[in-house]
Amino acid sequence: DQQVKQNSPSLSVQEGRISILNCDYTNSMFDYFLWYKKYPAEGPTFLISISSIKDKNEDGRFTVFLNKSAKHLSLHIVPSQPGDSAVYFCAASYTGFQKLVFGTGTRLLVSP
Amino acid sequence: DTGVSQNPRHKITKRGQNVTFRCDPISEHNRLYWYRQTLGQGPEFLTYFQNEAQLEKSRLLSDRFSAERPKGSFSTLEIQRTEQGDSAMYLCASSPYQGGDEQFFGPGTRLTVL
Repeated sequence: DQQVKQNSPSLSVQEGRISILNCDYTNSMFDYFLWYKKYPAEGPTFLISISSIKDKNEDGRFTVFLNKSAKHLSLHIVPSQPGDSAVYFCAASYTGFQKLVFGTGTRLLVSP
Repeated sequence: DTGVSQNPRHKITKRGQNVTFRCDPISEHNRLYWYRQTLGQGPEFLTYFQNEAQLEKSRLLSDRFSAERPKGSFSTLEIQRTEQGDSAMYLCASSPYQGGDEQFFGPGTRLTVL
């Protein structure tokens, strides 16, 4: 069963506009959520995280929003840059679980 | 470079052969994880260590797979009698905290079984 779902396999955005990547989860025990970015031939790189006690976390151009009632989170990138083009993975965990559960990823393409 | 390193980066082998991968975590990280990623999927958890103790193994880790972390430093993942279905990217990650916090990934070892 896919406990973390990223239903959009790809997203195309113009440079300077907002990119919104979505993620849904089914396991209500998850209390910690992360976004990773992955370039080809590299391992995933941590971007930003959020604990379930918050509904928003910002880091520069990146903001993650968490809607616990809907079991939904989203990553906003503003403004988008061509260097942001990569595959973005949503991941989830909970205290004591000791591992990350990943979604299938969304490929973001930011065109100049 | 003080990040997670993995060797080799690429491995091509024939079905039935044994292969071994190595992971060097960020120094002083006491937790080390192995994941596998296949095309179109996100990384899937295989196993993790706290120091030298292997504390959890996924059902994905069949009897042909074995992982070790002697002395709580580097780790090795061995696959015996490789099958074509073992072809994947094998990722190693480390973390200094309790599970749930960010994990730092290495570049991965891409295995191709012919």
